Amino acid sequence: GQQLNQSPQSMFIQEGEDVSMNCTSSSIFNTWLWYKQDPGEGPVLLIALYKAGELTSNGRLTAQFGITRKDSFLNISASIPSDVGIYFCAGQEGTNAGKSTFGDGTTLTVKP
Amino acid sequence: SAVISQKPSRDICQRGTSLTIQCQVDSQVTMMFWYRQQPGQSLTLIATANQGSEATYESGFVIDKFPISRPNLTFSTLTVSNMSPEDSSIYLCSIQGAQGTQYFGPGTRLLVL
Repeated sequence: GQQLNQSPQSMFIQEGEDVSMNCTSSSIFNTWLWYKQDPGEGPVLLIALYKAGELTSNGRLTAQFGITRKDSFLNISASIPSDVGIYFCAGQEGTNAGKSTFGDGTTLTVKP
Repeated sequence: SAVISQKPSRDICQRGTSLTIQCQVDSQVTMMFWYRQQPGQSLTLIATANQGSEATYESGFVIDKFPISRPNLTFSTLTVSNMSPEDSSIYLCSIQGAQGTQYFGPGTRLLVL
């Protein structure tokens, strides 16, 4: 099956800094999804991407669907303490397949 | 998006026993999924649960170990059978939203002693 490589595995940054993380796949995806998971909770959908090259923002978060359709990037600008958590990328091969393959996650720590 | 609830939110169980996890959605959905998240790990799909048909299991997961019910379009259950400590995980219910999006319940935290 497809493999998703997410990097970096963890990040320790100062409040106010920008953050960038990415996922690469061995397969072409039709949909990329980015989630955040806080301790003790389920993942929450941040951004969904559907077209190669697409750039979508959600507040301070911006994600891009790579033009090769095998990668995606998530950027967080001007980080704040509540950005702490685990960020997961997820990809889907089919259209409306619903089944997602998840990356291993990026654990973000923000120091005030 | 729909509101997804899971019961129980957490449990501690003895090895050899079984636990049934419930997932309730506040609207009708076609596709529901069950994921497992082992400690410190990512999410792994267990099975797809469709109303009116048997669940479709992913490689490495079998119906005898993880029987699933989907009696209607708003409810599903996952049973973890004959548990061992290796089954200690977070079990997450998920639904398919519009345009391939997926939304997750809060999870059930299971510890098997």
